[in-house]
Order: sequence, then C-alpha cells, then structure tokens
Amino acid sequence: TQLLEQSPQFLSIQEGENLTVYCNSSSVFSSLQWYRQEPGEGPVLLVTVVTGGEVKKLKRLTFQFGDARKDSSLHITAAQPGDTGLYLCAGVPTGGGNKLTFGTGTQLKVEL
Amino acid sequence: ETGVTQTPRHLVMGMTNKKSLKCEQHLGHNAMYWYKQSAKKPLELMFVYNFKEQTENNSVPSRFSPECPNSSHLFLHLHTLQPEDSALYLCASSQTRALSGNTIYFGEGSWLTVV
Repeated sequence: TQLLEQSPQFLSIQEGENLTVYCNSSSVFSSLQWYRQEPGEGPVLLVTVVTGGEVKKLKRLTFQFGDARKDSSLHITAAQPGDTGLYLCAGVPTGGGNKLTFGTGTQLKVEL
Repeated sequence: ETGVTQTPRHLVMGMTNKKSLKCEQHLGHNAMYWYKQSAKKPLELMFVYNFKEQTENNSVPSRFSPECPNSSHLFLHLHTLQPEDSALYLCASSQTRALSGNTIYFGEGSWLTVV
C-alpha cells in the first residue's frame, strides 16, 4: 500500500480553469510539502505546511493541510500553461524515523 | 539553478558496463541524498549521507554503490545493472539530515538507460 495517494493521477485542462489536487493518507504527518517538477528538471519545493488546518497561499496556488494532518490539497486558480508539471506531495510521518515519503504524483497539463 | 549539479544528464550503458553518476552541491549543506524516480512510481529514497557518513541505505541492491568523499560531493557507482534500473536518478541536499524545518534541494537528475 502506498503511504501517500495523490488524485487525480493525470489532469488536462484549459487555461483559466481552476483545479484541485489531493494528497491522502491513513497516516499522520508531522509536516507535509508540495513540490513541482517540470520536464527535464528535479522537483522544486513550493510550500511546507506543519499545522493541522493550516492554509498557505502562493500567488494563484492555495495549499491546505487537513485538520488531522493526514491529508492535504493544492488548489490552483486560473491555471496557466506555466503551471504544467508533475505535482508531488511529500511528508514526514510521525514516528517515521525522519524519512521524507513522496506521493504518487499528479501530472498536470494546462493548454492554451 | 538549485545549487545542486548532476552529471551526466543522460547516460546509456550496457548491463556489463561500469559507470558513475556525480553530484555536487554549492549550498554548504551537510546532508546529501540519492533518489530514484521511475515511471508511475513514487520517488524512492536510496541513500542518505550526513556529514560524509552514510546514515541510510534503503535496501538498495549492491550493484549501486554510493560514495561521499566530502560534504559537497556525492557519487553513485553503477555496475552490472539491469534494464529495470533505467530511471531518473536525482541527487538532493539539505542543511542537515533533520527534515523538519529543512528544505531539500534537488538536482536536475541523471537519466539512465540500461540496455
């Protein structure tokens, strides 16, 4: 079983649309991070959330950590082609030996 | 440019070859990592080095041999690989091994194809 499940796995939308990506687990995490990976590049950290219920905004991106610290969501408003990429959530499970575990990923394509 | 540089960016090798991947970080970090990224699978942590000492080997086959001569350089020596080892190998670094409160910086990766 995968510790961190992301949905949807693939998403293709038009420019200007809104979307939400989910990261779910049955485990509790002390912190959770979101990364974006563009083709030919390594993942780049977007945000870290550490408090249950925490909401962070990064321009058109809104990140939320679930109250129970088991899940997170990423909402993009008015998507642009530059948002295209692989979105990865990653977390450090409580009692998980300080190991960062990555989710299954969501491949987003935003078309003109 | 994340401050973590990997070479080569692309490598094709035969199953009997010996090759090495190189990683260099210019961030003054003390922890370095090797990850494997395969299609349709989550990023897999392979090795962790903290202050040049290997602190984690995530059940990686012995045909992968890491080397960390100093805190700025990390190598992954490859020999007698299998086609299923074809993947993107990502190097990363962080200030310390403690992940809480630390950001991991990834290199651009080395695409490995085993034929």
